[in-house]
Amino acid sequence: GENVEQHPSTLSVQEGDSAVIKCTYSDSASNYFPWYKQELGKGPQLIIDIRSNVGEKKDQRIAVTLNKTAKHFSLHITETQPEDSAVYFCAAKGNDYKLSFGAGTTVTVRA
Amino acid sequence: EAGVTQSPTHLIKTRGQQVTLRCSPISGHTSVYWYQQALGLGLQFLLWYDEGEERNRGNFPPRFSGRQFPNYSSELNVNALELEDSALYLCASSLDGTAPGELFFGEGSRLTVL
Repeated sequence: GENVEQHPSTLSVQEGDSAVIKCTYSDSASNYFPWYKQELGKGPQLIIDIRSNVGEKKDQRIAVTLNKTAKHFSLHITETQPEDSAVYFCAAKGNDYKLSFGAGTTVTVRA
Repeated sequence: EAGVTQSPTHLIKTRGQQVTLRCSPISGHTSVYWYQQALGLGLQFLLWYDEGEERNRGNFPPRFSGRQFPNYSSELNVNALELEDSALYLCASSLDGTAPGELFFGEGSRLTVL
């Protein structure tokens, strides 16, 4: 099955700086790579996703890049704000249609 | 439009007991997923139901089971509870489980086993 690894596990950034989270996956047949944000006491919420036929996607301050050859994808958050503080999860969907998640990154934005 | 709803939100059980968690997907969604999120850990895939059938199962013992009803709502049952079953149980739904697409999560059911 799919194995997704995520780094770093914690990330502290100054407000206004950028944050980068990286993930690798094992199943070369995986074709869908979403990123979820989970705030305290809530369920995860999709913030951006990318499909295997696209290399990069941007939505305002958030961007995701995908390198299928190297089997890794990354989340970039620019101009971080206090409300960006949360746990972020990457995920990959393989041939078994199962969405496998990374272990999560706790992002803290310092004011 | 209502999102994914789960009940109960919190519950406390003792070792050896049984628990049933419930999930109502977004209207029109036929796929329902269950994930376990232990404290400080990621989301571990439990079960996927689509059109009333179990389509995939994660690496959990048989005492974790569930079902999906004709109205696409779902139940997760856990028998013979153990301390390590304490976790947040998340339900998610999607339009088509076989296609790339967003999973919409509920707020979860937090289970504490004493």
